[in-house]
Amino acid sequence: EPEVTQTPSHQVTQMGQEVILRCVPISNHLYFYWYRQILGQKVEFLVSFYNNEISEKSEIFDDQFSVERPDGSNFTLKIRSTKLEDSAMYFCASTLQGSSYNEQFFGPGTRLTVL
Amino acid sequence: SQQGEEDPQALSIQEGENATMNCSYKTSINNLQWYRQNSGRGLVHLILIRSNEREKHSGRLRVTLDTSKKSSSLLITASRAADTASYFCATDKGNKLVFGAGTILRVKS
Repeated sequence: EPEVTQTPSHQVTQMGQEVILRCVPISNHLYFYWYRQILGQKVEFLVSFYNNEISEKSEIFDDQFSVERPDGSNFTLKIRSTKLEDSAMYFCASTLQGSSYNEQFFGPGTRLTVL
Repeated sequence: SQQGEEDPQALSIQEGENATMNCSYKTSINNLQWYRQNSGRGLVHLILIRSNEREKHSGRLRVTLDTSKKSSSLLITASRAADTASYFCATDKGNKLVFGAGTILRVKS
């Protein structure tokens, strides 16, 4: 069964460093998302991406964040200068036609620890 | 206002019992989805119910939706120890999902 994959599973970085989190969405899906979950808190929406551009972003998704689909399969989230409060689980998700119509399928997550 | 709030926050039952979790939301929706998350792991999609549906089944799962009360329930029948996890409802808002805080279910064997 097709699934969303994410790498790495765990990333440890120093404050101020750049990190890139990688995702491979399900191959025929058209909408891609990043969410994060700070330990013990709700899953929060960060950004949605469709047709090679951001379709929506939350107030969390400030200038330190960027997303890219560099080729036909990968979808990346970059944090330019990490802060301690960026420590969280980051989930990538994809869906065929958008959340109003279809299930969003989530990857296993990348646990980011900023020291 | 919060969208997708679950109750109870935590539920502890014996194996074989049924578990019922509830979710309330504030705004109109196209669909509502339930997810399971094992401790520290990813989100597993369980079931999607559309706004024009009232009930949906999948194996031991039964989901109901009452759009007049803006609420949904997830029933897990004949629970197993492996059902121990956090359960979240998520509603669509535009092109994204809004998650509730979740119910932590513990099934004791």
